[in-house]
Amino acid sequence: LAKTTQPISMDSYEGQEVNITCSHNNIATNDYITWYQQFPSQGPRFIIQGYKTKVTNEVASLFIPADRKSSTLSLPRVSLSDTAVYYCLVGDGGTGGFKTIFGAGTRLFVKA
Amino acid sequence: NAGVTQTPKFQVLKTGQSMTLQCAQDMNHNSMYWYRQDPGMGLRLIYYSASEGTTDKGEVPNGYNVSRLNKREFSLRLESAAPSQTSVYFCASWIGTGESAEAFFGQGTRLTVV
Repeated sequence: LAKTTQPISMDSYEGQEVNITCSHNNIATNDYITWYQQFPSQGPRFIIQGYKTKVTNEVASLFIPADRKSSTLSLPRVSLSDTAVYYCLVGDGGTGGFKTIFGAGTRLFVKA
Repeated sequence: NAGVTQTPKFQVLKTGQSMTLQCAQDMNHNSMYWYRQDPGMGLRLIYYSASEGTTDKGEVPNGYNVSRLNKREFSLRLESAAPSQTSVYFCASWIGTGESAEAFFGQGTRLTVV
């Protein structure tokens, strides 16, 4: 299982773009990169997933360089409601179950 | 469509008591997982079930047992609760593999063992 490293916390202001980088040096060929968001007193929820290059959805963008040893979650124009913990996960699911490890995540605090 | 439902939402136990945390999903997913989350920490996998009829240990299985009752339900049992098991417990069901793999989480059960 590939281990991930993320910053423990980040601060931002409303309206700014926030980039959270995750390091996963031991990522395997079959591994995908997935980001989850967790608000206090709630379970995590899926944000975005990718394998290589760039993926964009209505919530965020995910940038993955060619060597795939890191990835960057980009949140455009954050608001106070984006204050949450963001988890970077690496895994391939496979057919035997998804033993994906959630690390400590990055605590994003958005200020007015 | 309720997604993943956990019961109870809150529970206080005395040391040595037993209890079962219930989890049910209505999305017809094969895989179901139990995690615990301690204050300020990430989620740690306790047990998982890749399909109906199978269960496997995760990172921190000691002190817990699980039952995959059917495709919908996956329960977690604490036989003799200890203060170290005070935590928030999350159940999740996973869909897909590889590119389409995604987890859906319940709202959690906040357990305090005194």
